[in-house]
Amino acid sequence: AQSVTQLDSQVPVFEEAPVELRCNYSSSVSVYLFWYVQYPNQGLQLLLKYLSGSTLVESINGFEAEFNKSQTSFHLRKPSVHISDTAEYFCAVSESMGSNYKLTFGKGTLLTVNP
Amino acid sequence: KAGVTQTPRYLIKTRGQQVTLSCSPISGHRSVSWYQQTPGQGLQFLFEYFSETQRNKGNFPGRFSGRQFSNSRSEMNVSTLELGDSALYLCASSNFTHVPTEAFFGQGTRLTVV
Repeated sequence: AQSVTQLDSQVPVFEEAPVELRCNYSSSVSVYLFWYVQYPNQGLQLLLKYLSGSTLVESINGFEAEFNKSQTSFHLRKPSVHISDTAEYFCAVSESMGSNYKLTFGKGTLLTVNP
Repeated sequence: KAGVTQTPRYLIKTRGQQVTLSCSPISGHRSVSWYQQTPGQGLQFLFEYFSETQRNKGNFPGRFSGRQFSNSRSEMNVSTLELGDSALYLCASSNFTHVPTEAFFGQGTRLTVV
């Protein structure tokens, strides 16, 4: 069975500082990996995804994540954060298992950007 | 292109009652999934429907059920509500057929059971 571990439940940083949100997964088959962001009282928005190809994926707002198969990780990074990046971030995995579609989420990391 | 629409946004129910939540997926998407989000358990998968058939089900009691209509709209029903059912219920749609793609989420329905 697939599982996702987000090692940090809360990450406080100062504006313009770099940040890394860690995500490790467990699966016995090929996986597809996602980062979603959730703002207060909102649903989840896709930040970026790894389906195949290049292991480094980027979002339009400066976040990037690297798929590392040997370390079973998909850490999210941003070189310089803004106040508006304050939100909860969820790492998710979907296994390639035929016609079954299911996302397994980590517990989430609350990123708080302070001025 | 309209996003995923969930109705109602907020709901207050009494223990023992039942509730029905609605989800309209993105046009053309045939896969609809439901998730329960609570502070303690995080995001947990309830079930997934594709072309009116339930293809996958999470580890929830039989009080939780769902269905999908021919236009891909989906409903989930919770019977005999318990206090622990208070949560944000999220619906997600995707155009997944055989290869996983990203899921697009609605804003959720916040259910409070009193």
